[in-house]
Amino acid sequence: AQSVTQLGSHVSVSEGALVLLRCNYSSSVPPYLFWYVQYPNQGLQLLLKYTTGATLVKGINGFEAEFKKSETSFHLTKPSAHMSDAAEYFCAYNYGQNFVFGPGTRLSVLP
Amino acid sequence: NAGVTQTPKFRVLKTGQSMTLLCAQDMNHEYMYWYRQDPGMGLRLIHYSVGEGTTAKGEVPDGYNVSRLKKQNFLLGLESAAPSQTSVYFCASSYSIGGGTEAFFGQGTRLTVV
Repeated sequence: AQSVTQLGSHVSVSEGALVLLRCNYSSSVPPYLFWYVQYPNQGLQLLLKYTTGATLVKGINGFEAEFKKSETSFHLTKPSAHMSDAAEYFCAYNYGQNFVFGPGTRLSVLP
Repeated sequence: NAGVTQTPKFRVLKTGQSMTLLCAQDMNHEYMYWYRQDPGMGLRLIHYSVGEGTTAKGEVPDGYNVSRLKKQNFLLGLESAAPSQTSVYFCASSYSIGGGTEAFFGQGTRLTVV
């Protein structure tokens, strides 16, 4: 079955440390992948997306993700975490006529 | 620039009551979706619409009905609310589907059924 998995339901990092949020997709998933962020009590906001072309995708707020077909991964990174990055992050893809979301990873940033 | 607007933002229902959640988008999008979000389960698709006058079932449609009488509005109805429908509901819309077109989300409706 087509799906995305996110390793780690909760990730904690110190302020200034590297952020790495993992997303793996099943090989049958179309290569249109997204990362969304959800701040507390808000809707989802697009961080970045991969469609075609360059496999390193840059998004808002200093985030980027690299599409690796050989590893079926689309991990999200940010070199230096900020307190304002604390949120829930969802990996997603287009399937048929809708979007499918991973279970989410909650990022905590410690002072 | 409103984007996707959901009303109400919060609601408490008693078991067996009915209600309608309204989603409105001002981006002239063809596709609209209703998701529910529950802890540890991500977002699950309830119903969706590929255009005015059309609706289709998603992953978890039982207990819900929808209507898309106008292109800009997508209504989600609960005819007889159950505690299992306590959740946060999100509406989304997109211009098209596939090819990397993203979805735009509303702020959510937090529904509690007691």
